[in-house]
Amino acid sequence: NAGVTQTPKFQVLKTGQSMTLQCAQDMNHEYMSWYRQDPGMGLRLIHYSVGAGITDQGEVPNGYNVSRSTTEDFPLRLLSAAPSQTSVYFCATLDRTNYGYTFGSGTRLTVV
Amino acid sequence: DAKTTQPTSMDCAEGRAANLPCNHSTISGNEYVYWYRQIHSQGPQYIIHGLKNNETNEMASLIITEDRKSSTLILPHATLRDTAVYYCIVRAGGGSNYKLTFGKGTLLTVNP
Repeated sequence: NAGVTQTPKFQVLKTGQSMTLQCAQDMNHEYMSWYRQDPGMGLRLIHYSVGAGITDQGEVPNGYNVSRSTTEDFPLRLLSAAPSQTSVYFCATLDRTNYGYTFGSGTRLTVV
Repeated sequence: DAKTTQPTSMDCAEGRAANLPCNHSTISGNEYVYWYRQIHSQGPQYIIHGLKNNETNEMASLIITEDRKSSTLILPHATLRDTAVYYCIVRAGGGSNYKLTFGKGTLLTVNP
């Protein structure tokens, strides 16, 4: 039981490049979400999904796309990376039995 | 979700109880109090949550005042590994409100 697995752990991109941050879970949780965390700030919600085939925008969705084709996976895509997207990205799932969230270990992204 | 107020930082001696306060004076009747913590560079970790009764688990105890306007997270015997940012979050339980809004939290430093 791995919980929430995020890959890669570290990534450096050049401005304008694209990439996909992967998030996989093995807990069969319907709800998944992506947060970003910048220095000195709390976590901000980017996108979330309440189940396969359903996604919605969070607080800071611009510059990011998501899709949810399976319960297990919720990838986050950066179509054209910008330095402002330099951040630590966390994926989280929700256990609806206690409404507790499980977070992945994060992806540290640097855009130069 | 109701707004919460926490001290920016606190210190605690190793082996002593750490009492982290949180004010949530605008909490509604259907809103739960959740506590998470984030150890440096890691994803947030669920600790405990409650509605109006005091709660205890293997990690901590949660004391909620009778009027529910404030709460205290208690780590009974703090260790150096408990040094982290602790977030108090109020959110409605159930329904379709799955979003978790993080503030700045309290940086707890456990000293040897």
